Amino acid sequence: SQTIHQWPATLVQPVGSPLSLECTVEGTSNPNLYWYRQAAGRGLQLLFYSVGIGQISSEVPQNLSASRPQDRQFILSSKKLLLSDSGFYLCAWSSGPIFYGYTFGSGTRLTVV
Amino acid sequence: DAKTTQPNSMESNEEEPVHLPCNHSTISGTDYIHWYRQLPSQGPEYVIHGLTSNVNNRMASLAIAEDRKSSTLILHRATLRDAAVYYCILINTGTASKLTFGTGTRLQVTL
Repeated sequence: SQTIHQWPATLVQPVGSPLSLECTVEGTSNPNLYWYRQAAGRGLQLLFYSVGIGQISSEVPQNLSASRPQDRQFILSSKKLLLSDSGFYLCAWSSGPIFYGYTFGSGTRLTVV
Repeated sequence: DAKTTQPNSMESNEEEPVHLPCNHSTISGTDYIHWYRQLPSQGPEYVIHGLTSNVNNRMASLAIAEDRKSSTLILHRATLRDAAVYYCILINTGTASKLTFGTGTRLQVTL
């Protein structure tokens, strides 16, 4: 069966520090991969998505970047965190969004102090 | 993208059925209707989807209006574990790579 792993679960980082969040999927190949962010009390915002290795689409201009170095690995990064980067970060995968839906990871709660 | 409109919140008693409405008056013929829910402090979870016909699965039922301009997610017997934010989302082949979440309906379930 397919599983999605996301870590760490919680993270407290100072302003100006770098960030690296990792997401891996097991049990499938060539999945679509997504990064979402949910600010406190707000809705889910799509940040990046990828349909293949090295293929990244950005939805909103921001302080973050994403990379897909391997088929089932998706990384969210920042060189210098801002206070506004705080939020709940969710990774998701899909093999066919229309018929199979998305499966989300358990999320990383990032607090920038 | 076609938009959906949902009530901000709803309440239900435990063991009672819950009907969560969604309006999507600008839906196109190729839009599928998806429902997700997000429990507190968790990622969203796929619930059900449909195109034209009503659908049933182990979690819920989806009733789709004949003109497809609205749909209703039906939880047959609400439990406390069903307390969550429920999202109604339209997705088609043109936007197949992107799931766009609205504000959803916050469902409260009480004893």
